[in-house]
Amino acid sequence: NAGVTQTPKFQVLKTGQSMTLQCAQDMNHEYMSWYRQDPGMGLRLIHYSVGAGITDQGEVPNGYNVSRSTTEDFPLRLLSAAPSQTSVYFCASSFYSNQPQHFGDGTRLSIL
Amino acid sequence: AQTVTQSQPEMSVQEAETVTLSCTYDTSESDYYLFWYKQPPSRQMILVIRQEAYKQQNATENRFSVNFQKAAKSFSLKISDSQLGDAAMYFCAYRSAGYALNFGKGTSLLVTP
Repeated sequence: NAGVTQTPKFQVLKTGQSMTLQCAQDMNHEYMSWYRQDPGMGLRLIHYSVGAGITDQGEVPNGYNVSRSTTEDFPLRLLSAAPSQTSVYFCASSFYSNQPQHFGDGTRLSIL
Repeated sequence: AQTVTQSQPEMSVQEAETVTLSCTYDTSESDYYLFWYKQPPSRQMILVIRQEAYKQQNATENRFSVNFQKAAKSFSLKISDSQLGDAAMYFCAYRSAGYALNFGKGTSLLVTP
């Protein structure tokens, strides 16, 4: 099993560009989430999904879009990148909400 | 919204000694789950231990154990016989049913020989 796979691992964007961070899991997990990690802030929830076709906002959703058309994939879209979105992004998944989440290796994103 | 507070930004322990990392949380729910995650310099998020709120017994995983005080909303992590490989950021996290994780800001643990 590959677990949770995030691509790319590193990305540099210019302000105003758009891009999609990919997240895929092969464990048939219903719950998937996106977090961002900034120094001294821990991990903060951006968006999450409790199953295909169902998504909801987390703590810091502004500037990000998500969709969940399949159980396996949960892409995160930056609509118009801003320097404040420079961060490390983690995708995570679990089968039930009472289980710990499995994390991907993260994407380091820099916005110039 | 639930908040998770880790009041120790940094901790230090000598090899083979014991260290306790603190975590408190705020919630009005009765059904929830608590976790400790370890993040080494490799950036991976590694589950250390979990605790169900309905269980009175404190969870234990080898050298790692928790002190779960539900009434006080406290969830501390004890690391016994500390090893150099335990050096990492440690995050306390809260999860309620149907939701995702709420994380504390983390405690950086330094292990000295």
